[in-house]
Amino acid sequence: NAGVMQNPRHLVRRRGQEARLRCSPMKGHSHVYWYRQLPEEGLKFMVYLQKENIIDESGMPKERFSAEFPKEGPSILRIQQVVRGDSAAYFCASSPPGVSSGNTIYFGEGSWLTVV
Amino acid sequence: AQSVTQLGSHVSVSEGALVLLRCNYSSSVPPYLFWYVQYPNQGLQLLLKYTSAATLVKGINGFEAEFKKSETSFHLTKPSAHMSDAAEYFCAVVSGSGGYQKVTFGIGTKLQVIP
Repeated sequence: NAGVMQNPRHLVRRRGQEARLRCSPMKGHSHVYWYRQLPEEGLKFMVYLQKENIIDESGMPKERFSAEFPKEGPSILRIQQVVRGDSAAYFCASSPPGVSSGNTIYFGEGSWLTVV
Repeated sequence: AQSVTQLGSHVSVSEGALVLLRCNYSSSVPPYLFWYVQYPNQGLQLLLKYTSAATLVKGINGFEAEFKKSETSFHLTKPSAHMSDAAEYFCAVVSGSGGYQKVTFGIGTKLQVIP
């Protein structure tokens, strides 16, 4: 059973370009979370999605950032018009369907975005 | 609202010494608590989790944690540190309500193991 798959692992973008980060959850998982990790900082929650629904986007910047988790295909975190401050590691995590607070949340290996 | 406090962003121990990483939480509902480990340039790997069964939880790599409700703590310990334990450790509190599982992480503790 493959784990949470993220791609690309490393992405370099020039200021003003768009970045798209993809996340395929573990098989059978329908909950996806995106977190951002800045150097010397902890994991900051960005958004929580279920299939075709954004459940909580309270951690998403108001502008330039968007996320989706379509019925088919991976979840995508999209950053438009990137700036240097967007340089960070972005982690995706998934958990099984059904709300049970004991469900383990499994993380992908991360996507490292560098804006030059 | 829920929160996690990890005391000590950097901890250094000698190889073979006791590892103690502190985590205190606050939660308005009975919490579920997790410890994750992150090695450089990698994702987070689950070490152990508390889900209201036994208060002393054993995890991978010789780590364990004890849930103490009276102290709202879930400290991570290992009797004897190994060089391979050098990594960053994150404590997380999870609670669910209204069909939503909310996860809050601490800021992380970097563990250095000195030969």
